[in-house]
Amino acid sequence: DQQVKQNSPSLSVQEGRISILNCDYTNSMFDYFLWYKKYPAEGPTFLISISSIKDKNEDGRFTVFLNKSAKHLSLHIVPSQPGDSAVYFCAASRRSGTSYGKLTFGQGTILTVHP
Amino acid sequence: DAGVTQSPTHLIKTRGQQVTLRCSPKSGHDTVSWYQQALGQGPQFIFQYYEEEERQRGNFPDRFSGHQFPNYSSELNVNALLLGDSALYLCASSFLRVAGVKTQYFGPGTRLLVL
Repeated sequence: DQQVKQNSPSLSVQEGRISILNCDYTNSMFDYFLWYKKYPAEGPTFLISISSIKDKNEDGRFTVFLNKSAKHLSLHIVPSQPGDSAVYFCAASRRSGTSYGKLTFGQGTILTVHP
Repeated sequence: DAGVTQSPTHLIKTRGQQVTLRCSPKSGHDTVSWYQQALGQGPQFIFQYYEEEERQRGNFPDRFSGHQFPNYSSELNVNALLLGDSALYLCASSFLRVAGVKTQYFGPGTRLLVL
């Protein structure tokens, strides 16, 4: 059962424009959400996160939005740069309890930013 | 400061064999988690080690076992290998109980191919 889903396998964007990556989850016990970026031959690297008590978190060009009622989150990258081309993973976790620290990942979205 | 290191980088085994993968955590980290990433999928949680004990386990059979040593390094063992065990195995280290979920750093992974 896929508790975290990224329904778009790939996204192509022009440099300077906005990239929007989407993620849906089904488990209402998740209270912390993260985005990771992965380049080939490297492990995932943390990008940005958001707690379930917030609906928006910004860090430079990256903004994550959380809609708890829809169980949906999105990552906005503005402006997109060719160096942003990578696989982006959405992940969900719980900040307490027996599942603390366990990350549940989506399938990933390949972002390509064209110059 | 070295990040998370994993060895070997690549490995080829045949069905039925056993394999051991190794992970050295980032300096100061005391918690190690292992993930399996099949081709085209997101990483899937295998288990987490803290204070030399398995603290959480994902939906993986007993053929998958692990160990954490006093220096916090960890091993992942897989017995009776199946073709479906072919994947990228990722190790993530963290100072989880102090610094939180988002401070999990991933290694570059070990690519296992089972023939």
